[in-house]
Amino acid sequence: SFVLTQPPSVSVAPGETATITCGANNIGSETVHWYQQKPGQAPVPVIFYDNDRPSGIPERFSGSNSGNMASLSITRVEAGDEADYYCQVWDTNSEQRVFGGGTKLTVL
Amino acid sequence: VQLVESGGGLVKPGGSLRLSCAASGFTFTSYTLTWVRQAPGKGLEWVSSIRGSTTSLYNADSVRGRFTLSRDNAKNSLYLQMNSLGAEDTAVYYCARVRGDDYNHPIDYWGQGTLVTVSS
Repeated sequence: SFVLTQPPSVSVAPGETATITCGANNIGSETVHWYQQKPGQAPVPVIFYDNDRPSGIPERFSGSNSGNMASLSITRVEAGDEADYYCQVWDTNSEQRVFGGGTKLTVL
Repeated sequence: VQLVESGGGLVKPGGSLRLSCAASGFTFTSYTLTWVRQAPGKGLEWVSSIRGSTTSLYNADSVRGRFTLSRDNAKNSLYLQMNSLGAEDTAVYYCARVRGDDYNHPIDYWGQGTLVTVSS
């Protein structure tokens, strides 16, 4: 089944741009969703369908998906953005929902 | 939208447990519902999904044949019957709603989770 590869960690200074990648063979042909999870809390969706923001998610959050890589970008990073981020696709071949391993975003 | 899980707890290896999820705030039969679990200190793992209109089921390879997902539309409730539990099933189990009644849509609401611990 689909394997989504994320970097274990990304660090960025406040005010800078954080980019979290999600790699897989031809992931550009799939639809990617992104979730944010803060310690001790349930996940929260931050990007739907490659680059749609759910209601209430700041414009600072955006997504892209092409070729073998999908990305979540967070501009003007704030301390409150520190969390784990997960990408996710529906694997039509195996008929399973697949999550990436997660990336811990640290705001320096 | 509210999703409230219950039924978690400590169970011995090989044992069984039934999780419940009480849903409110939306038309229950119009949405696919799903369980996602998270082992301590680990990432998210999808477990199983059930559609609202057809009750079609999909299960992760890791639980197929051991876990059974069902829903009671009259009670707006979702159930996960877990059998032959092993240590690898220890996790927080989240009940979640899919954005629509199809599998390939994202999850838009999550419950707060219930902890299942498999240990002797």
